[in-house]
Amino acid sequence: QSALTQPPSASGSPGQSVTISCTGTSSDVGGYNFVSWYQQHPGKAPKLIIYAVSERPSGVPDRFSGSKSGNTASLTVSGLQSEDEADYYCSSYADSNNYVFGTGTKVTVL
Amino acid sequence: QVQLQESGPGLVKPSETLSLTCTVSGYSITDGYSWAWIRQPPGKGLEWIGSIYHTGNTYHNPSLRSRVTMSVDTSKNQFSMRLTSVTAADTAIYYCVRHPTVEPSFDCWGQGTLVTVSS
Repeated sequence: QSALTQPPSASGSPGQSVTISCTGTSSDVGGYNFVSWYQQHPGKAPKLIIYAVSERPSGVPDRFSGSKSGNTASLTVSGLQSEDEADYYCSSYADSNNYVFGTGTKVTVL
Repeated sequence: QVQLQESGPGLVKPSETLSLTCTVSGYSITDGYSWAWIRQPPGKGLEWIGSIYHTGNTYHNPSLRSRVTMSVDTSKNQFSMRLTSVTAADTAIYYCVRHPTVEPSFDCWGQGTLVTVSS
């Protein structure tokens, strides 16, 4: 199974929005509504911010939202704040009880 | 509040077996969730290693072929992983993670432990 494709980097000014794409295939992203997103600050463990494409765990700000169209999922961070500067990874359930992660996107707040 | 803590050797020789244990606190390991191992080579992305479901079934990344085994010790509220025939490519931070499977995600992570494969 191949890693899901994400842009290496994305950026925006405080208060702006940034959207990160996550492209897979019909065997993973396109085949199931089981895409999740993780935020990882340097030296820290990843943190779940979106599951089941667009659901937010308790405590995650509503500035984070997820969507999916075909084989591509997206994460949008609205109203960028300095603490949103981090690496972001998507993940998807894939055929036969497998899981695959994205290549990761570094978000910079300008 | 659930907490996970990895333990195991930080240095493993090539061709030997990497063994890690995850101790879960604040939650019973038998209460319906599944559990997973995920790794991250230094400076690189995340890779799912495998999961052990609450049913006892295990699933692993096909790229690791049959090198991975996972188990649960309910008496100690722990789960474990063994990775055989390690090489330098297995050098990574290893995370143990709680793994909801109804709407699959990895919702609670240990702090991670760095394992280096070197002679």
